[in-house]
Amino acid sequence: GAGVSQSPSNKVTEKGKDVELRCDPISGHTALYWYRQSLGQGLEFLIYFQGNSAPDKSGLPSDRFSAERTGGSVSTLTIQRTQQEDSAVYLCASSLRGPDTQYFGPGTRLTVL
Amino acid sequence: AQSVTQLGSHVSVSEGALVLLRCNYSSSVPPYLFWYVQYPNQGLQLLLKYTTGATLVKGINGFEAEFKKSETSFHLTKPSAHMSDAAEYFCAVSVGNTGGFKTIFGAGTRLFVKA
Repeated sequence: GAGVSQSPSNKVTEKGKDVELRCDPISGHTALYWYRQSLGQGLEFLIYFQGNSAPDKSGLPSDRFSAERTGGSVSTLTIQRTQQEDSAVYLCASSLRGPDTQYFGPGTRLTVL
Repeated sequence: AQSVTQLGSHVSVSEGALVLLRCNYSSSVPPYLFWYVQYPNQGLQLLLKYTTGATLVKGINGFEAEFKKSETSFHLTKPSAHMSDAAEYFCAVSVGNTGGFKTIFGAGTRLFVKA
């Protein structure tokens, strides 16, 4: 079946603009994760959705970052008033349930000029 | 809160030599442990995982890892490196909480394989 998809694959924006990044998880996967991977850095946890539970937002770096997951499927990560330090690859992953294997999307490369 | 430490951001081995990538974790409850690999210009994929049961876990491409609770370690090994093993490797720990299971990744270790 289809894997995790993310759009757009690349996004170039100007400092101060808002951006929306989309993630389509594998059908039936109840857990969805967002990570950020900066150049030369590891994966930084951002937010985690599990079924209908309240999301774990403990990794969001500032209140400019928010995410939602509609209908337990598609998720959107929104970054408001982007800054240059937001430039990174944003990865989405889904799993059947929490501790299972995570399947990663190809990522969205965000560049803030 | 859980955390993961990977010792060595870069490891270089000769083709045919032993590969050892170190991972230590911190968790107040029994964790689930993972190794993921990211080949150049590719997405992350699971290499192997420990959930319960046997502490020596075998994964793809000849890799294995051993969960040592007393040492809070989950080191990744492969007896003989191949050029195709050159990639970045990430250790991850997943621990349950009231909202489900949160996964924390280590900073990654880039493996170089010399001919």
